[in-house]
Amino acid sequence: ETGVTQSPTHLIKTRGQQVTLRCSSQSGHNTVSWYQQALGQGPQFIFQYYREEENGRGNFPPRFSGLQFPNYSSELNVNALELDDSALYLCASSSEGAGQETQYFGPGTRLLVL
Amino acid sequence: QKEVEQDPGPLSVPEGAIVSLNCTYSNSAFQYFMWYRQYSRKGPELLMYTYSSGNKEDGRFTAQVDKSSKYISLFIRDSQPSDSATYLCAIEVQGAQKLVFGQGTRLTINP
Repeated sequence: ETGVTQSPTHLIKTRGQQVTLRCSSQSGHNTVSWYQQALGQGPQFIFQYYREEENGRGNFPPRFSGLQFPNYSSELNVNALELDDSALYLCASSSEGAGQETQYFGPGTRLLVL
Repeated sequence: QKEVEQDPGPLSVPEGAIVSLNCTYSNSAFQYFMWYRQYSRKGPELLMYTYSSGNKEDGRFTAQVDKSSKYISLFIRDSQPSDSATYLCAIEVQGAQKLVFGQGTRLTINP
C-alpha cells in the first residue's frame, strides 16, 4: 500500500508568479483535501475534492484553485503569488464515506515566495 | 476568537516525565477530536481520535475529552526523546469536509 506523495518537495517562486503543486492519494482513497500550514501555525483547510468536483472550501481567495483527476490524484494551483503564500502545503487523502479522522497526510510541499 | 486554541509552547521536559497537552474549542457542534504528531519537515501523523467525552488509551498515549468544558487533552506517559515533535489537536464537525487544527505545541523530551 503506497502512502500519499507530493511533488515537488520544495519550491521557490517570486511574487506574482503562478505555481502548481501535485498530490497522489493513498491507494484506495478517492477524496483529497489540501491544507496550508504557515510557519508555527496549524494547518488551515483550503478545499476538498471528491469525484473530480470541489466538495467544500475554506476561507481562501479564488486564486487558489484545484483539480482532481480520474485516478484521484490532485493539483493545487495558486495564481498571483503573494509573500504570505509562503507555507507548507499539505495534501491528505481519505475514502468515500469515511470520516476526516481517517485522513492520511503527505509530507507536504514547502513553498517560498520572494 | 479562534475556533480551536492551543498553547504553542515550546514545552521541554525530561525523559520519563508525563506530558500533558491541551486544547480548548468554542463550537459545540464539534464532534470528532483528533491528535496528530508532526515531526520536523514531515506531514502530520494521526495519533488518536475519539468522538465521546471520557478517556481513550493507546499504549503510552491517553486522549481525554470534556465536552461540557470544551476541553481536550493528550497525555504521554514515560516520555521518550523520540516523542519530540509538534503535537496538533484537530476537531471536526460531522458532515463537514474539513479538520480545524490548533496552532500546535512544540514538545522536546530531553534525555
